Amino acid sequence: DAGITQSPRHKVTETGTPVTLRCHQTENHRYMYWYRQDPGHGLRLIHYSYGVKDTDKGEVSDGYSVSRSKTEDFLLTLESATSSQTSVYFCAISESMGQKAYEQYFGPGTRLTVT
Amino acid sequence: DQQVKQNSPSLSVQEGRISILNCDYTNSMFDYFLWYKKYPAEGPTFLISISSIKDKNEDGRFTVFLNKSAKHLSLHIVPSQPGDSAVYFCAANNAGGTSYGKLTFGQGTILTVHP
Repeated sequence: DAGITQSPRHKVTETGTPVTLRCHQTENHRYMYWYRQDPGHGLRLIHYSYGVKDTDKGEVSDGYSVSRSKTEDFLLTLESATSSQTSVYFCAISESMGQKAYEQYFGPGTRLTVT
Repeated sequence: DQQVKQNSPSLSVQEGRISILNCDYTNSMFDYFLWYKKYPAEGPTFLISISSIKDKNEDGRFTVFLNKSAKHLSLHIVPSQPGDSAVYFCAANNAGGTSYGKLTFGQGTILTVHP
């Protein structure tokens, strides 16, 4: 199994509060991704990173920001949490070259509830 | 705009029989396709993939078929086992475009294999 951990695994927070989710990898992979999973939508890409300090938006990036100061860590921040951001969040990593870049390996997920 | 669709939310199969999971896509720029399996409370795990230059890829009990003209792919599991019970997601990517590494997922199909 790829060495990917996410913290926290569960969090309940109130509307309007900032929240940061952490993804940590021990594989030294270049690419890292944040997805959210919601019923009826599958997994949707929020943001991704193609290197330290290099990030780009996915299809559902509004209300989220990311940072990557080290290869192994990718942080997802909800600046002011809303109930629509209640979801399960997954981090993923992939190698950078060839077809292996598409075989993303996922962390265990963080269940976030915004009340 | 759901570019990757899994129109069957669920599928129930008897142990030992074939499971066929279907996926349709609308974006003709997609040229690499993947299937992921997800157990409850875990992250998705990569199962099998296929490039658009092929129409079939086989890995043990799992075979993926791609019909480019119909923009359709399917995953066959033979023989099905109770441990295959999970949510299956198909995903697609435009490998030759600027969305390198960014996967678009379907909504998922819940497979239940009965002993």
